Amino acid sequence: DAGITQSPRHKVTETGTPVTLRCHQTENHRYMYWYRQDPGHGLRLIHYSYGVKDTDKGEVSDGYSVSRSKTEDFLLTLESATSSQTSVYFCATLNTDTQYFGPGTRLTVL
Amino acid sequence: AQKITQTQPGMFVQEKEAVTLDCTYDTSDQSYGLFWYKQPSSGEMIFLIYQGSYDEQNATEGRYSLNFQKARKSANLVISASQLGDSAMYFCAMRGGSGNTGKLIFGQGTTLQVKP
Repeated sequence: DAGITQSPRHKVTETGTPVTLRCHQTENHRYMYWYRQDPGHGLRLIHYSYGVKDTDKGEVSDGYSVSRSKTEDFLLTLESATSSQTSVYFCATLNTDTQYFGPGTRLTVL
Repeated sequence: AQKITQTQPGMFVQEKEAVTLDCTYDTSDQSYGLFWYKQPSSGEMIFLIYQGSYDEQNATEGRYSLNFQKARKSANLVISASQLGDSAMYFCAMRGGSGNTGKLIFGQGTTLQVKP
């Protein structure tokens, strides 16, 4: 609904390598979010942004950093990927009271 | 601390019957929002329905309704006339906390299978 795309959609990487996931939106929404989804945990918030260059931590932020240099783009970086960061990553934006999600990125860290 | 609990890991329902998916929540906030999302096997997260804590009427969206019982802190999703395409995982989520940041806390999900 919010014209959200995520790239890449799938990625396999090795432990210790840096990884950046991109979220792009076309609706000029102010708030953007990164979640991870793991079996038995539902979705958990990693970081969120409330404007350009304005970000804050979520529930599971250790090992992740984010940046937002433009309204439409929200980047999630794993500085040195670990196997525990193997997960599905969802980006979302806030439209009025409701979050709408991107299609997700499946990340495997070997 | 805020918490969402979905106690049914898996549910079965016969096609065309109604089904209720349970969700209880815990919060000390006076203002909060409750959401249900559907995640089919293809993996996307689809918004279904929203209920604000001050809304006196239960929310409805087509075949979906949210049975909101504030005193019991429950926000159950009712799907009427189940269809095969309703087979999916369903997540209950809550928005709350200070600052109106829109952050969501999710339950662990309930897998629903609709039998023909």
